[in-house]
Amino acid sequence: SAVISQKPSRDICQRGTSLTIQCQVDSQVTMMFWYRQQPGQSLTLIATANQGSEATYESGFVIDKFPISRPNLTFSTLTVSNMSPEDSSIYLCSVVGGSGANVLTFGAGSRLTVL
Amino acid sequence: QKEVEQNSGPLSVPEGAIASLNCTYSDRGSQSFFWYRQYSGKSPELIMFIYSNGDKEDGRFTAQLNKASQYVSLLIRDSQPSDSATYLCAVNKRSGGGADGLTFGKGTHLIIQP
Repeated sequence: SAVISQKPSRDICQRGTSLTIQCQVDSQVTMMFWYRQQPGQSLTLIATANQGSEATYESGFVIDKFPISRPNLTFSTLTVSNMSPEDSSIYLCSVVGGSGANVLTFGAGSRLTVL
Repeated sequence: QKEVEQNSGPLSVPEGAIASLNCTYSDRGSQSFFWYRQYSGKSPELIMFIYSNGDKEDGRFTAQLNKASQYVSLLIRDSQPSDSATYLCAVNKRSGGGADGLTFGKGTHLIIQP
């Protein structure tokens, strides 16, 4: 399966600021996914990032709050904009395949704490 | 009704016994089903996936799927303390199956008692 590197691994942010999370994959993949895992909760899909087109957002998530870039087949960024304490969460990048396998693989996650 | 439901636990099982984890889903059109394991502070890792009704075995793990009952389960035989983790059930509702755009349950916290 693909190897995914995410950074930052964790950060403490001030209310009202924005933070960009980077996701780098060791192989070319068509689709990359951004998930959120709030404390004590399961994973919620934020959006699907396809190279060459705008990201597709799930219900409850909007581009102004979570802008996504996908400049090539191995890299994506997720920005959490105008953060509030409710945005404190783990944000996970994931991909399908990368080695021909139909498997969803996750990065290590980025743990954000908003004060 | 939640899309993917799991008992949050904790489920406590003695070492060496069989741990049985259950999951129900609401969308009858769901195509593919996955079990992930998540250790505290770590990201989820895939254990198994199943697409067809019946059982699928991989080592100590067996996934069971019953589409008519909208039920999927994971059995862990000869449970080890290292199996203690949160187990997430995930479902793909999209046509064609596959692993993209999964919907996850909240997970069952499993504790294997030595």
